[in-house]
Amino acid sequence: DAGVTQSPTHLIKTRGQQVTLRCSPKSGHDTVSWYQQALGQGPQFIFQYYEEEERQRGNFPDRFSGHQFPNYSSELNVNALWLGDSALYLCASSLGGIGYTFGSGTRLTVV
Amino acid sequence: EDKVVQSPLSLVVHEGDTVTLNCSYEVTNFRSLLWYKQEKKAPTFLFMLTSSGIEKKSGRLSSILDKKELFSILNITATQTGDSAIYLCAFAYSGAGSYQLTFGKGTKLSVIP
Repeated sequence: DAGVTQSPTHLIKTRGQQVTLRCSPKSGHDTVSWYQQALGQGPQFIFQYYEEEERQRGNFPDRFSGHQFPNYSSELNVNALWLGDSALYLCASSLGGIGYTFGSGTRLTVV
Repeated sequence: EDKVVQSPLSLVVHEGDTVTLNCSYEVTNFRSLLWYKQEKKAPTFLFMLTSSGIEKKSGRLSSILDKKELFSILNITATQTGDSAIYLCAFAYSGAGSYQLTFGKGTKLSVIP
């Protein structure tokens, strides 16, 4: 039973560029949430997707956007990258409720 | 503003020691409190606590929630080097028909032989 799969595992981008991160949820899960974890901090909620719509959003600017596809997989897009966007981006899937399973994350470095 | 405060932020112990990690919270729409272990990247689930005063146990790990005093503790007995990790506390809150997690900064535990 495949868990949550994220790609790529590592990424280096230049300030001002755009980036797309991908997430495939655990089999049977229909809800995908994205979190940003800066160094030395706990994960911070970005947004959650359910039925291909953004259901709830944390305190992140509009530069952060997402999408969920009919197969429940999801993308996180970040435009106009800042140095401060350097972080581990975690995807978590669940079946509607709290039973989150986290992926191993994508380490984004903005230079 | 909802918040979760963990203490200590870091801890170094010797193998065999017992440790207690603390988590206090101030939240609205509280649903549950969760503990995760993060070794390299993916946080792995340890416990979910919903009811006050009921201890959850898994091997050498145990946790309890006090909803009156708004805190939880995670105990690890007979620590091993494999317990070295960041331990994250999070509360689950509900909104717009779904659940999200608010995390503390974590406690970095280092177990030395």
